[in-house]
Amino acid sequence: GAVVSQHPSWVICKSGTSVKIECRSLDFQATTMFWYRQFPKQSLMLMATSNEGSKATYEQGVEKDKFLINHASLTLSTLTVTSAHPEDSSFYICSARQGVNTNTEAFFGQGTRLTVV
Amino acid sequence: AQKITQTQPGMFVQEKEAVTLDCTYDTSDPSYGLFWYKQPSSGEMIFLIYQGSYDQQNATEGRYSLNFQKARKSANLVISASQLGDSAMYFCAMREATSGTYKYIFGTGTRLKVLA
Repeated sequence: GAVVSQHPSWVICKSGTSVKIECRSLDFQATTMFWYRQFPKQSLMLMATSNEGSKATYEQGVEKDKFLINHASLTLSTLTVTSAHPEDSSFYICSARQGVNTNTEAFFGQGTRLTVV
Repeated sequence: AQKITQTQPGMFVQEKEAVTLDCTYDTSDPSYGLFWYKQPSSGEMIFLIYQGSYDQQNATEGRYSLNFQKARKSANLVISASQLGDSAMYFCAMREATSGTYKYIFGTGTRLKVLA
């Protein structure tokens, strides 16, 4: 299957700082990328969907000013957690899909564990 | 209303035996896909098996098979000959074609523990 690389794998940051997480599709062009959040022992909750070159579509209850998503190229999407607080500590995972109107598979990155202290 | 339901928070199975993980779903979209993912403690999501709503036969991938009962809206995962390395969290997911984004909706997961 296709490879999606997420970086960093884990990060610890101080409260009030911003953290950027990168999601790259290594061997295909990802027209759509999805960002998920997963709390311990819980399921993946979709945060937003981003299409290359356009604004991300956020799920209800997700603060778009808090979680900035940029999908500037067909191989890279970034999630920036702004002014992070301890409650933002979580596991963040991205997935990427090739194609726009085709029913193609999405592949997942390895996830980023964020700890805000 | 919950769209993907996994009613088993945890399951135990003896090594080399088969185990069935339950998943039911709800959708009005005639075109959808059902997936099973394995998430070990390291966190990555490992794709296991896929079943399309129009597929006539149940999907199989090695030791994994999907018992697809469309009328009952269930898509149970069967793992045969369980191995110790199968111990992980297992998620059932559905992908709907609505709005063209094909986003995934995940169930709450089942934690499987394989006993030696």
